[in-house]
Amino acid sequence: EIVMTQSPLSLPVTPGEPASISCRSSQSLLYSNGYDYLDWYLQKPGQSPKLLIYLTSNRASGVPDRFRGSGSGTSFTLEISRVETEDIGVYYCMQALQAPYTFGQGTKLEIK
Amino acid sequence: QVQLQESGPALVKPSQTLSLTCTVSGGSITSGSHSWTWIRQPAGKGLEWIGRIYTSGETNYNPSLRGRVTISADTSKNQVSLEMSSVTAADTAVYYCAREGPAAAGYFLHWGQGTLVTVSS
Repeated sequence: EIVMTQSPLSLPVTPGEPASISCRSSQSLLYSNGYDYLDWYLQKPGQSPKLLIYLTSNRASGVPDRFRGSGSGTSFTLEISRVETEDIGVYYCMQALQAPYTFGQGTKLEIK
Repeated sequence: QVQLQESGPALVKPSQTLSLTCTVSGGSITSGSHSWTWIRQPAGKGLEWIGRIYTSGETNYNPSLRGRVTISADTSKNQVSLEMSSVTAADTAVYYCAREGPAAAGYFLHWGQGTLVTVSS
C-alpha cells in the first residue's frame, strides 16, 4: 500500500497570512494518463470531509481560488494564499492511484 | 443533487457482524461509471478506506481488514451495504459512504454525514 505523509501535523496561522501543507507519497502517483492521483480534503469539526482539490491541482466546484494544489510524482503541496477563519479544520491528502486508497495523517489548521 | 445517508445499529457486540446501509437519493447507483465506497474514521483519528463497489458489481477491499468485509448493492432500493464480521473495539468508528467518480476519477465529491458505530459488550 502507498503510504502518505503530511507535514506539519499542526499549523497555527494568522488570518490573512498564507499557509502551506506538504504531502509526500511512498511511490509516484503518476498514472499513464499523465495525471497525478492526489486529492485534498478539508474536514471541519463534526462534518464529513469535503473535496477541495482533485488530480493534484483542480479545484472542486465552489472552492475559493485562494486554495491551490501543486506537485508531481511523490511530492505535493496545498497552499492557501490568505487564510480565513472559515478555513479551520483538518486537511487530508489522499492518493487515488491504487486501491487501497490511503490518506495522510491530517494537518490541523488553527487560527493563532 | 446526489445525497447519501448511512444507517444501521449504533452499537455492535464484539465478535458480531456490523451491518450498515447507504441510501442514495437524487440519482441511481447504477448510473454513470461511479463506484461507491466505505470509509471509516475512529474518534480523533484519520481516515481509512474500507472498500468499494462499482456499478458492474466488482468490488475491492482493503487488505488490512483481512477478508472481514463485504460490500454489496441493492439496485431496487438504491442502496449500498457494508458488512464487517468479527468486529472488535478497534472497529469503533464513524463510517462514511462516498461516491467516487466518474470513471475511477479518484476523488470523492459526495459523502454521507457518517454514522457512529461503537463495538462494545
